[in-house]
Amino acid sequence: NAGVMQNPRHLVRRRGQEARLRCSPMKGHSHVYWYRQLPEEGLKFMVYLQKENIIDESGMPKERFSAEFPKEGPSILRIQQVVRGDSAAYFCASSPGTGPYSNQPQHFGDGTRLSIL
Amino acid sequence: EDQVTQSPEALRLQEGESSSLNCSYTVSGLRGLFWYRQDPGKGPEFLFTLYSAGEEKEKERLKATLTKKESFLHITAPKPEDSATYLCAVRASNDYKLSFGAGTTVTVRA
Repeated sequence: NAGVMQNPRHLVRRRGQEARLRCSPMKGHSHVYWYRQLPEEGLKFMVYLQKENIIDESGMPKERFSAEFPKEGPSILRIQQVVRGDSAAYFCASSPGTGPYSNQPQHFGDGTRLSIL
Repeated sequence: EDQVTQSPEALRLQEGESSSLNCSYTVSGLRGLFWYRQDPGKGPEFLFTLYSAGEEKEKERLKATLTKKESFLHITAPKPEDSATYLCAVRASNDYKLSFGAGTTVTVRA
C-alpha cells in the first residue's frame, strides 16, 4: 500500500472529543475517497472529494462528520463529539480521476484505527 | 442499491489445495468489478479489475473471471503467503464509489 499515506495509524479519543484523520493521496492522484470498516462488517463508502470540492458525500453521517481536501495539504476527515459507535477503521483511497482514467482502480492506505473510550 | 455477496465467509486450505471464491453482484450497469487482498492491520491491496462478462485476469497463483452475475477468484496450488482476506467490489457505470462485499478469509496451512 505504498503511496497513500494515512496518519495517525491509531487514534484513541474519549467520548465527546474530536478526531482528525489525515490522508495524503498517491503522487499524481487528485481524487480521494474515504471508507469506514466497522468490526465484522465490510468497507462502506463515506465521501468522495477532489481538490477543494466535495463530489459525493452520500455515505457520510449527516451530523458530526465532515471532510475536506484543500488546495494544499492532505485530505482531512473530521469527527466531532465522538461516540462509542464511531470506533472503526477508516480507510482513504485515491485515484487519478475521471476522463481517460475513469476505470483506474482506487488505491488504499493502511487506515486509521479509531478507538473511543 | 448495489449489492455484493461473497462466499464462503472463510476458507481453510492445505498448501497446494486449489479452490475458488465466489462474488455475486447486483449493480445498475457495471463499470468495473475489482478484487483486493487485505492482510490484518493493512489496507486493501489492488489485485484485478474486470470490465465485461467473459473477461479473465491472472497474477501468479490467482485467476479472476467474470460473468454477468458473478465473479470467481481461483487460487491454484496456494501457499501460506496467500493467506489473507479477499475482497470483491463493484463500481456502477454512473457512480464513483466502490461497493464492497464482506470478504472471504483464506487460511493456507503448510
